[in-house]
Amino acid sequence: QVQLVQSGSELKKPGASVKVSCKASGYTFSTYSLNWVRQAPGQGLEWMGWINTNTGNPTYAQGFTGRFVFSLDTSASTAYLQINSLKTEDTAVYYCARDYYDSRGYFLFFDSWGQGTLVTVSS
Amino acid sequence: DIQLTQSPSFLSASVRDSVTITCRASQDISNYLAWYQQKPGKAPKLLIYGASILQSGVPSRFSGSGSGTEFTLTINSLQPEDFAAYYCQRLNRYPPTFGGGTKVEIK
Repeated sequence: QVQLVQSGSELKKPGASVKVSCKASGYTFSTYSLNWVRQAPGQGLEWMGWINTNTGNPTYAQGFTGRFVFSLDTSASTAYLQINSLKTEDTAVYYCARDYYDSRGYFLFFDSWGQGTLVTVSS
Repeated sequence: DIQLTQSPSFLSASVRDSVTITCRASQDISNYLAWYQQKPGKAPKLLIYGASILQSGVPSRFSGSGSGTEFTLTINSLQPEDFAAYYCQRLNRYPPTFGGGTKVEIK
């Protein structure tokens, strides 16, 4: 079955960097794009952007340019989210999610999600 | 960018009640809408896409309707496991915006 397994919780100081992994299994990795979604404590879901798992080309949502980097290791069927120059407001759960498409023409909805990675930024 | 506004933000209901959550889009999005359920500490789960297409494995007490700018998610005969947060999300165009969420609590 399709699974996305993320790396464990991280505690970082402001200014540091963090790299979250998302390992896919149960399907051909390059067939579906992967998205990243942020959820701050007690808040809703915020789409951060996506990475084309075929070309490795990332696209970042507004507000997630500059310090956020999406990357892949296709040999390991793994996607990564790196956040540089961490700020306290980056404290959140970060999810990877598979971008599914339906033969009736629907796409950009997320049928499989990782379990989430809590990143806490505190001095 | 298109905004999605959910109402209500909070909803109290009892087991076996039927509840309806509304999602309004700031522009016409045809039927390009999905609904997710999220339980505390868990990842969101896809319930419905294309406004009314039930994702495989989702109980039939969940249903979605609407097109254009107004959409609804209805849960018939609430079960204890349905108490959760629900989010709508726009499909087929970037950015795939989420609504602010509706928390369904036990009365």
